[in-house]
Amino acid sequence: DAGVTQSPTHLIKTRGQHVTLRCSPISGHKSVSWYQQVLGQGPQFIFQYYEKEERGRGNFPDRFSARQFPNYSSELNVNALLLGDSALYLCASSLTGLNQPQHFGDGTRLSIL
Amino acid sequence: ELKVEQNPLFLSMQEGKNYTIYCNYSTTSDRLYWYRQDPGKSLESLFVLLSNGAVKQEGRLMASLDTKARLSTLHITAAVHDLSATYFCAVDDMRFGAGTRLTVKP
Repeated sequence: DAGVTQSPTHLIKTRGQHVTLRCSPISGHKSVSWYQQVLGQGPQFIFQYYEKEERGRGNFPDRFSARQFPNYSSELNVNALLLGDSALYLCASSLTGLNQPQHFGDGTRLSIL
Repeated sequence: ELKVEQNPLFLSMQEGKNYTIYCNYSTTSDRLYWYRQDPGKSLESLFVLLSNGAVKQEGRLMASLDTKARLSTLHITAAVHDLSATYFCAVDDMRFGAGTRLTVKP
C-alpha cells in the first residue's frame, strides 16, 4: 500500500507569493495533520482535519489555511509568503487522529527568496 | 500552553553503552508518542504510550510513561551505530519536543 504522499517535493517562491501544498493520506485514513519543521527543530503543529472538519489549529497566522476533501486528501495554503516560512512542511495521516501513531509523508521543502 | 522539553538535545555515545532520553511535558496528558527522524528523511513512528505506567520495547529501545510525573523516557540498551538519528517525543498527537540528536560512535 502507498504511504502518505506529498507534492511537490521542493518549491521555491518569492516573498509575497502564495503556495498550495498537497497531501494524499494512506488509504482508509480519515485524519490528516500538517506540520512545519524548521531545520534543527521539532515539527510545529499547524492543522488537523478529520472527516473534512477542522479538529485542531496550532499557533499560526491566518495566512495559513487548509482544507480536506471528500477523498480525505488535503491542501495547505499559505498566502503572503515571508522569508520565515521557509521550512519543511510535513503531512501526516492516521485512521482517526486520536490515540494512534501518525504516518508521515516525506514532506515539501519550501524555500522563500 | 502545553510545553514539551527533551533532554539532552545532543547525545554522543559509544557503541555498547546504555543511555536514557527524557521527555517532560507541562500539562496532564496520557498520550505520548516517540518518533525517529534520519537526516533528510521524514518521521517514523516508534512507540505509542496511552496510559500511566505503559512500557513498550522494540529491539534496543524501550519507552515508558509516567503521567503523574509528566515524564516519558526512551532507554537505549547497548547502542549500535544504526541507532544514530534524531528522536522526538510528542504529546497529545500535536506538540513535539525539540528532539534529541543521537550519535553512536564505534
